[in-house]
Amino acid sequence: AQSVTQPDIHITVSEGASLELRCNYSYGATPYLFWYVQSPGQGLQLLLKYFSGDTLVQGIKGFEAEFKRSQSSFNLRKPSVHWSDAAEYFCAVARMDSSYKLIFGSGTRLLVRP
Amino acid sequence: DAGVTQSPTHLIKTRGQHVTLRCSPISGHKSVSWYQQVLGQGPQFIFQYYEKEERGRGNFPDRFSARQFPNYSSELNVNALLLGDSALYLCASTQGTNTEAFFGQGTRLTVV
Repeated sequence: AQSVTQPDIHITVSEGASLELRCNYSYGATPYLFWYVQSPGQGLQLLLKYFSGDTLVQGIKGFEAEFKRSQSSFNLRKPSVHWSDAAEYFCAVARMDSSYKLIFGSGTRLLVRP
Repeated sequence: DAGVTQSPTHLIKTRGQHVTLRCSPISGHKSVSWYQQVLGQGPQFIFQYYEKEERGRGNFPDRFSARQFPNYSSELNVNALLLGDSALYLCASTQGTNTEAFFGQGTRLTVV
């Protein structure tokens, strides 16, 4: 069965420090992968996606992610975190059979120290 | 351009009641999906509709139903509400059946 694992429930970084959020997936075929961000009580905003091609993808707000098939990973990175990046981050894989649905990880809450 | 819009933003219902949540997709998008997000968890897939037909259903009881209208807007209905139905209900629209999904702000349902 398809699944997404985000091993870190909480991560705290200092403002200006680099960030890496981990995501591992289980999917039989070539995956479509996504990172979404959610501020408290809000909907999900798409940060970036990987469908095919270059394994390093750039997203909005200075985020990037690297797809590593050998490790079944799609980790999210940012070189310098801003206080406004504090939020919940979700990794997702798209399952496509007769329907199109996203399977989400349980999320990583990012806290930013001033 | 308007994004995905959901209404209402918040509502409180009593156990046993019925609720209808509404979603308007991005203009030009023909597919709408519904997700339930319980506090502290990732969203869980409930339904997908494409061109007014149900394409997929998640592991939810028959108390949950949905439909899509000719203008591609959608309703999610939940009957006989339980306390465990309290959650943020998210609607997502996609242009086709295999592109990125854009989410609305959600409807926060509280069952008391």
